[in-house]
Amino acid sequence: DSGVTQTPKHLITATGQRVTLRCSPRSGDLSVYWYQQSLDQGLQFLIQYYNGEERAKGNILERFSAQQFPDLHSELNLSSLELGDSALYFCASSGTSWDTQYFGPGTRLTVL
Amino acid sequence: QKEVEQDPGPLSVPEGAIVSLNCTYSNSAFQYFMWYRQYSRKGPELLMYTYSSGNKEDGRFTAQVDKSSKYISLFIRDSQPSDSATYLCAMSPTGNQFYFGTGTSLTVIP
Repeated sequence: DSGVTQTPKHLITATGQRVTLRCSPRSGDLSVYWYQQSLDQGLQFLIQYYNGEERAKGNILERFSAQQFPDLHSELNLSSLELGDSALYFCASSGTSWDTQYFGPGTRLTVL
Repeated sequence: QKEVEQDPGPLSVPEGAIVSLNCTYSNSAFQYFMWYRQYSRKGPELLMYTYSSGNKEDGRFTAQVDKSSKYISLFIRDSQPSDSATYLCAMSPTGNQFYFGTGTSLTVIP
């Protein structure tokens, strides 16, 4: 158990809908990272937050947004969902050093 | 062309074998190189992390980086059935953007 929690574990929704994925980092970790893992694209870095501020952005679509709250939990919002958004979404957290990221168990999103 | 290329395998070896996993990349700006292990239905976990070129050893694991060839490797000595997992290479230019290979599936047969 990495100490990073993600909810829900599974999510099934329809195209065009909007969903919110939630992540709670390990105690004391200030950074949160979001990743998308699909069979065809592999693991892709989406976005990083550090202590509430956006730190880095990767291959995140405009339909996706994220935020980190004062209690350091983070949410990833996915809107206007498409079939291709079906994937595993991982959250990771780290302390002051980015090189040791602890991954959560992931949320499996299925868009029908 | 993807920035990071990794042979997806699958790779199947007998217990005790030496395993070699490799990735190539095209972006010469990459300075940080990582290997993650991912068990089925779990999140990735960091195995090794190296900065720039050279070797790094940690127990049965050795990571090598050859920046001149844009090639990185992970060697696993005395492989064990518990090493059966998918291995992901990852790279970063500055520590705030991360690029992953698609992963190599490894099975170690007892």
